[in-house]
Amino acid sequence: DAKTTQPNSMESNEEEPVHLPCNHSTISGTDYIHWYRQLPSQGPEYVIHGLTSNVNNRMASLAIAEDRKSSTLILHRATLRDAAVYYCILRPAPSGGSNYKLTFGKGTLLTVNP
Amino acid sequence: NAGVTQTPKFRVLKTGQSMTLLCAQDMNHEYMYWYRQDPGMGLRLIHYSVGEGTTAKGEVPDGYNVSRLKKQNFLLGLESAAPSQTSVYFCASSVGWDSYSGANVLTFGAGSRLTVL
Repeated sequence: DAKTTQPNSMESNEEEPVHLPCNHSTISGTDYIHWYRQLPSQGPEYVIHGLTSNVNNRMASLAIAEDRKSSTLILHRATLRDAAVYYCILRPAPSGGSNYKLTFGKGTLLTVNP
Repeated sequence: NAGVTQTPKFRVLKTGQSMTLLCAQDMNHEYMYWYRQDPGMGLRLIHYSVGEGTTAKGEVPDGYNVSRLKKQNFLLGLESAAPSQTSVYFCASSVGWDSYSGANVLTFGAGSRLTVL
């Protein structure tokens, strides 16, 4: 599976935008980019995903580089509740026997200052 | 709508004891997963199931067994617990691959904290 590289930690101030980077230089053409986050003492939760085009939803935006070797999760206005570990994951399209697994790395610990 | 429910939430075992963690989902999901999370590490996949009656090994299957006798339940068993199995265990479920959106959105439970002395 292609790997992702994320900073171990980042800090932000409340109500400011946050840009969480992810490098995935070995991404293949059929890999989808997924983001999950894990709030303290909770299970991970889905945030957003994309393939080539930028994506927006109620939680965040995902900006994907033209060569797809990197992506950025954007939180437009960070709140204290956004303090969490953010995981960038590559999800290969299933083929043959299908692959329904997601492989989580260590992620980025986001601290939001009041 | 409860989503994914894990029981028990906390458990302390002695080395060599056995136990079973239960995961139940009410979303009619085909796929279910067991992960473990240790301090400073990401989640590691133990076993998973792509349908009732099927199971498969993940990254770290040794020392664990699983069963998926009913679609809504996925059991994780430890036959002879070891201190190395002290961890937080997360169960997840998903519809599976959505070929239109490219999503395989996992819904996670709140976790089960296991300590093996």
